[in-house]
Order: sequence, then structure tokens, then C-alpha cells
Amino acid sequence: GQQLNQSPQSMFIQEGEDVSMNCTSSSIFNTWLWYKQEPGEGPVLLIALYKAGELTSNGRLTAQFGITRKDSFLNISASIPSDVGIYFCAGLAGNQFYFGTGTSLTVIP
Amino acid sequence: NAGVTQTPKFRILKIGQSMTLQCTQDMNHNYMYWYRQDPGMGLKLIYYSVGAGITDKGEVPNGYNVSRSTTEDFPLRLELAAPSQTSVYFCASRRGQNNYGYTFGSGTRLTVV
Repeated sequence: GQQLNQSPQSMFIQEGEDVSMNCTSSSIFNTWLWYKQEPGEGPVLLIALYKAGELTSNGRLTAQFGITRKDSFLNISASIPSDVGIYFCAGLAGNQFYFGTGTSLTVIP
Repeated sequence: NAGVTQTPKFRILKIGQSMTLQCTQDMNHNYMYWYRQDPGMGLKLIYYSVGAGITDKGEVPNGYNVSRSTTEDFPLRLELAAPSQTSVYFCASRRGQNNYGYTFGSGTRLTVV
């Protein structure tokens, strides 16, 4: 299967700080998605990216589809305690999405 | 709409037992998926279906079976449960090929002892 590498694996930040995480692959994807998963719940879609170079925002979240189509980035500005969770990237190949291993975010009030 | 509903939420199985994880969606989505999530790992695709009567294997299908007799339901069957199948299982759906966002269920946590 396709391999998606997310970094960092985990982050501990102070409330109010900005957060950056990324997802890289050796394969090209035509669509990138970013999901957030809270404890005991399924992942929830945050942002979808459909074109290389695309920059899309959803509130304090901004994601970019890398020019090479092999990577994507997610930024969260002015973090708040409810941003806590695991953030997953996913790339579309054929009918399947392949998921990264996740970035665990802890926000310290 | 209830979205994607999974049952049960938790289950403990003994080695060699069988069980069916239920998944139903009320959004009239054509595409449905089963993933497993192991600690520190991403979601791995077990099986998927692009419509009633059609199923295909994902990355990790061994030890599992699925059926899709209706648009709404996509049950996952475990025969002869093994400790390696201890995981959290997520069902997901999306409308079709040009609608990319998955809707996930809340998961089933399975422990095989």
C-alpha cells in the first residue's frame, strides 16, 4: 500500500501558539484530506484539497496541497484547548484513501 | 440523519470465536469502507464497496469478510478471531466517486483474548 509519513508524531504546545504539521509520500496523490480524531470518536473531515498548490482555510485551520503533489501541510493558528486530538492526512489513489500515521496534538492551557 | 452507525461499541472475543460488526448509513451513500486502526498507526483499509452487491479487498483483508446486500448496510464478519485482530474498527461512507469526504462511524473497539 501507499506510505504516508506524518510529522511530527506528537506535539505539546501552549494555548495561543501556532501549530504546523505535514504529510509526505513517495507517491503522487490527486486529492489530500485532513481529518481530526477525538478520543472515542471517528475522524472528522477538516479540509479537502483538490489541486496542486491549492491553499484552503477553515477558520483557524489552513492547509496546502504541495506543488509536487507528494505532500501537504496543515497549520492551526492561535491554538485553543479544544484543538486537542489526533490529526490525520489522507491521500486519494484510485477508489481508496491512504491515511498517515497521525499527529497527536496536546494544548496546554 | 444519524450518519454512519456502528454496533457494538465494544466487544471482547475469545480466540476462535466469530462475530459480525454492524455498519449502517442513512445518507444514501454508494461507497462504504471498513478500516482498522492500531495504536500509533494510521487507518488501514480492510474492505470496501462501491455499491450494493459489489465488494473489494483493501490492504489488510485476511481474516475478514464483508457483504453489501443493501445500500445502507455493510457488515464486517470475523471468522476464527485471532489476537492480531485486536483493534479499533471504523466504518465510513461517501456518496460517490466525485464526493471525496468520508463520514466515519464512532468505531468498534474489539479485543481478542
